[in-house]
Amino acid sequence: GQSLEQPSEVTAVEGAIVQINCTYQTSGFYGLSWYQQHDGGAPTFLSYNALDGLEETGRFSSFLSRSDSYGYLLLQELQMKDSASYFCAVKSSSASKIIFGSGTRLSIRP
Amino acid sequence: SQTIHQWPATLVQPVGSPLSLECTVEGTSNPNLYWYRQAAGRGLQLLFYSVGIGQISSEVPQNLSASRPQDRQFILSSKKLLLSDSGFYLCAWGRGPNQPQHFGDGTRLSIL
Repeated sequence: GQSLEQPSEVTAVEGAIVQINCTYQTSGFYGLSWYQQHDGGAPTFLSYNALDGLEETGRFSSFLSRSDSYGYLLLQELQMKDSASYFCAVKSSSASKIIFGSGTRLSIRP
Repeated sequence: SQTIHQWPATLVQPVGSPLSLECTVEGTSNPNLYWYRQAAGRGLQLLFYSVGIGQISSEVPQNLSASRPQDRQFILSSKKLLLSDSGFYLCAWGRGPNQPQHFGDGTRLSIL
């Protein structure tokens, strides 16, 4: 089957850097996505990696290593508004749907 | 630009009552459409998805059903709600399974 693992909670300090890891198991790989969800809100798309390496979008970067079935989301210059849950996701190998991880709740301290 | 509308934002229903949640997408054609449920503090559980009009795939056996009567309309229904149906329901669309999914604002459903 397909599965994703990510830490349930991460705590960091405002202004610091934090990395949220995601490992996946899938029989066919079509890319790794990241979504952000604030409490009470809907998830929003952050990034997508289909190839190995680092993709940078402002303060957020996402990394993928297909040989290790591993990726991470890197958040720099943390701001209080970055407190949210972050989900990694992969496309199902057998259907037109996406499999989401269980989410990492990021808490930021002043 | 594309937009997704989902309503109502909040709903309180008694056990055993019916349910109908509607989701519509504007600005795109033939989108993939998805219904998710999220319990408080938990991940996203895919309930149904559709790749075209009248085509519904069910992920979890339950007392919910979905329909896609028009290209950009996706409806989640139940004939008799259970207490366990409480949760945050999210509709999403995407151009394809490898494309980003865009979510509606969600419906917070409480069953009493």
